[in-house]
Amino acid sequence: SQTIHQWPATLVQPVGSPLSLECTVEGTSNPNLYWYRQAAGRGLQLLFYSVGIGQISSEVPQNLSASRPQDRQFILSSKKLLLSDSGFYLCAWSQLAGFYNEQFFGPGTRLTVL
Amino acid sequence: AQSVAQPEDQVNVAEGNPLTVKCTYSVSGNPYLFWYVQYPNRGLQFLLKYITGDNLVKGSYGFEAEFNKSQTSFHLKKPSALVSDSALYFCAVRDITGANNLFFGTGTRLTVIP
Repeated sequence: SQTIHQWPATLVQPVGSPLSLECTVEGTSNPNLYWYRQAAGRGLQLLFYSVGIGQISSEVPQNLSASRPQDRQFILSSKKLLLSDSGFYLCAWSQLAGFYNEQFFGPGTRLTVL
Repeated sequence: AQSVAQPEDQVNVAEGNPLTVKCTYSVSGNPYLFWYVQYPNRGLQFLLKYITGDNLVKGSYGFEAEFNKSQTSFHLKKPSALVSDSALYFCAVRDITGANNLFFGTGTRLTVIP
């Protein structure tokens, strides 16, 4: 069966510090991968998605970047965090093949920027 | 462009009563619709999806959803609510232009009162 991991679970960082959040998927190959941000426990905002190694699409311009160095690894980064980067970050995956496939979400990372 | 709307921020229902969480959609073409549930500080869990076929879709934990093309709705239902159903519920529609991307509604917080 497939599993998705995210770490760390929680993170408190000062403004201006760098960020690296990691997501890995097990039990599948060639997945689509996604990073979302959820503010204040409500709606999800798609930040990045990837259909393959080194292929990143950004949905909104922002202070963040994403990379996919391996097939089942997806990393969210920032060089200098802003207060507005605080939120709950969710990684998700879906099967590459298939038009109707649902996404499966990781447990999330709670980021607080002070 | 695809979008979904969840008109109710909050739904309260007594334990044992039927529950409905509303969702309406706007798509160009065939709609591919999804429901997810999120428990506090957790990732989203997939409940069910509508792709084609029967308008009544059955999913996890006793939930079902009714697809209504004329009303462009995809309401989530359960015949008898449990206290453990209290959570945040998201409706989503597939983005036909992206890599299996989903557009999420703003979420509805369901509270089941004992």
